[in-house]
Amino acid sequence: EAGVVQSPRYKIIEKKQPVAFWCNPISGHNTLYWYRQNLGQGPELLIRYENEEAVDDSQLPKDRFSAERLKGVDSTLKIQPAELGDSAVYLCASTRKTGLEQFFGPGTRLTVL
Amino acid sequence: ILNVEQSPQSLHVQEGDSTNFTCSFPSSNFYALHWYRWETAKSPEALFVMTLNGDEKKKGRISATLNTKEGYSYLYIKGSQPEDSATYLCAFYSGGSNYKLTFGKGTLLTVNP
Repeated sequence: EAGVVQSPRYKIIEKKQPVAFWCNPISGHNTLYWYRQNLGQGPELLIRYENEEAVDDSQLPKDRFSAERLKGVDSTLKIQPAELGDSAVYLCASTRKTGLEQFFGPGTRLTVL
Repeated sequence: ILNVEQSPQSLHVQEGDSTNFTCSFPSSNFYALHWYRWETAKSPEALFVMTLNGDEKKKGRISATLNTKEGYSYLYIKGSQPEDSATYLCAFYSGGSNYKLTFGKGTLLTVNP
């Protein structure tokens, strides 16, 4: 079974530029999460999807962050414009609707200069 | 805001040493405690999901215990190997339909050959 796929793995941009991350969850996993891990911290939830619906986006900074999961499968997280403080690892995870265990992708390491 | 603490923050051991780390979490509204291992440039990998007070789980040389009444879990590694070098994350789940995990900051383990 293929795992959670994320791309790109690394991204370096200048501040004020836009950036997008892509995630393809494990086949059949209806729930998809985006997390951000700042240096020295644990991952923090940004948004959770149940199929195509964003059911918890309370932690997503909506002034510059957006996400979509149009067909309830893969998802894109966008930052526009990026700020220096957005440098972090962005993790995607998925799970079956009623499952506890979350399966993670390898993350995208973003550096904003 | 849920407080999940891990100690120590980092640990250096020699190959063959046994080691352990701690995760502390709120003792109220407990549902599950997850342990993940995250090697550099790879996906976080689930080690254990623990739900019952007094639970003990084992996978090879790694084991974990859970005390929900006092709010802590120990992760033990017996006979550490260089391939055990990773960040070990614990995550607390308080139940509910959102499956939201609150992560600690992790313990970075380095095993020297």
